Amino acid sequence: GENVEQHPSTLSVQEGDSAVIKCTYSDSASNYFPWYKQELGKRPQLIIDIRSNVGEKKDQRIAVTLNKTAKHFSLHITETQPEDSAVYFCAASQSSASKIIFGSGTRLSIRP
Amino acid sequence: NAGVTQTPKFQVLKTGQSMTLQCAQDMNHNSMYWYRQDPGMGLRLIYYSASEGTTDKGEVPNGYNVSRLNKREFSLRLESAAPSQTSVYFCASSEVFVGVQGNQPQHFGDGTRLSIL
Repeated sequence: GENVEQHPSTLSVQEGDSAVIKCTYSDSASNYFPWYKQELGKRPQLIIDIRSNVGEKKDQRIAVTLNKTAKHFSLHITETQPEDSAVYFCAASQSSASKIIFGSGTRLSIRP
Repeated sequence: NAGVTQTPKFQVLKTGQSMTLQCAQDMNHNSMYWYRQDPGMGLRLIYYSASEGTTDKGEVPNGYNVSRLNKREFSLRLESAAPSQTSVYFCASSEVFVGVQGNQPQHFGDGTRLSIL
């Protein structure tokens, strides 16, 4: 079955700097890759997703890149702000398959 | 729209007690899910229901049962609670299309914080 590995488990960056979180997946049939943000005590919420027919997607300060050959995808946050502090989860699934597998999460802290 | 609603929000049980966690969604989604999240850990899939009338095991199904009551509701039951089941339980729903669109984002409820003594 699908396995998703996420690194690093914790990340601390200076406010204004960039943060990068990386994930690898095992199932080459996976073609949908969402990223979720979970603030302390809250529900996970989607922040961006990418499908296998594109290599990069951007939404303001957030971007995701996908390398299908290497089976890895990354989340990039630029100009980090205090409100970016949270746990971020990557995930992978196959098209039309309901099951989605999550990575173990990255706790991002933004230093003032 | 409320989205995904979970009840109760908090619960304390004694070892061996049973209880049912309720989940309802108003987005007309076909697929529903139950996850558990232990402190500092990721989301582990317990059971999911791809469509009304079907349920399937996820990564950690032991000790749990589920019922897809109708398209809106998906419940999770602990028959004999154990301390190892202390966790935060999240219900989620999503749409899954056949073809190019494929999977859509999952929408999560606020979670049920369950403690078993």
